[in-house]
Amino acid sequence: SQELEQSPQSLIVQEGKNLTINCTSSKTLYGLYWYKQKYGEGLIFLMMLQKGGEEKSHEKITAKLDEKKQQSSLHITASQPSHAGIYLCGADRGGGNKLTFGTGTQLKVEL
Amino acid sequence: DVKVTQSSRYLVKRTGEKVFLECVQDMDHENMFWYRQDPGLGLRLIYFSYDVKMKEKGDIPEGYSVSREKKERFSLILESASTNQTSMYLCASSPPTRVSGNTIYFGEGSWLTVV
Repeated sequence: SQELEQSPQSLIVQEGKNLTINCTSSKTLYGLYWYKQKYGEGLIFLMMLQKGGEEKSHEKITAKLDEKKQQSSLHITASQPSHAGIYLCGADRGGGNKLTFGTGTQLKVEL
Repeated sequence: DVKVTQSSRYLVKRTGEKVFLECVQDMDHENMFWYRQDPGLGLRLIYFSYDVKMKEKGDIPEGYSVSREKKERFSLILESASTNQTSMYLCASSPPTRVSGNTIYFGEGSWLTVV
């Protein structure tokens, strides 16, 4: 079965700083999803990457899928308190939109 | 605006009770999913459905069943709740996989405590 490792597990940054979260897969990624979750709530879709080398941005968040399609990174520029939460990567297993998830990265942004 | 609605946000049930968790989506999606989320284990797939009356087991189906009588509604059933089923349950839906780059939408989650 596919496994996803996220790093770091938790992160505390000062407001205005940049940060990167990584998601590494034990197998080739056919589709990689990034979600954000506030504690105790549902998952909010951020971005989905499919092609090796693909990069997508939304506001101050950029996600990339490396050429070999086994790692993705999520980069936040000039972090704000609203960015705080748990970031989850999910890998499409290759059919049916069934996702395998990493265990998440908890982000705290200090004023 | 897309919406996946889970009927109950917080439930407390007794061991042995039959529990129904309901999920409704308004996007006419073919695919629907049930996950549970536990600290240190992340999200794990319980069951999924590709169409009305169709269901397939995910990674941890034991102790659960599902029902999909209508396209918009996917129910998770705990036939006899046990304390190890205390968890956060998340429902999701998506268009069919033949649609390229489709988004998978999640509901707000249902916190179930079994005492």
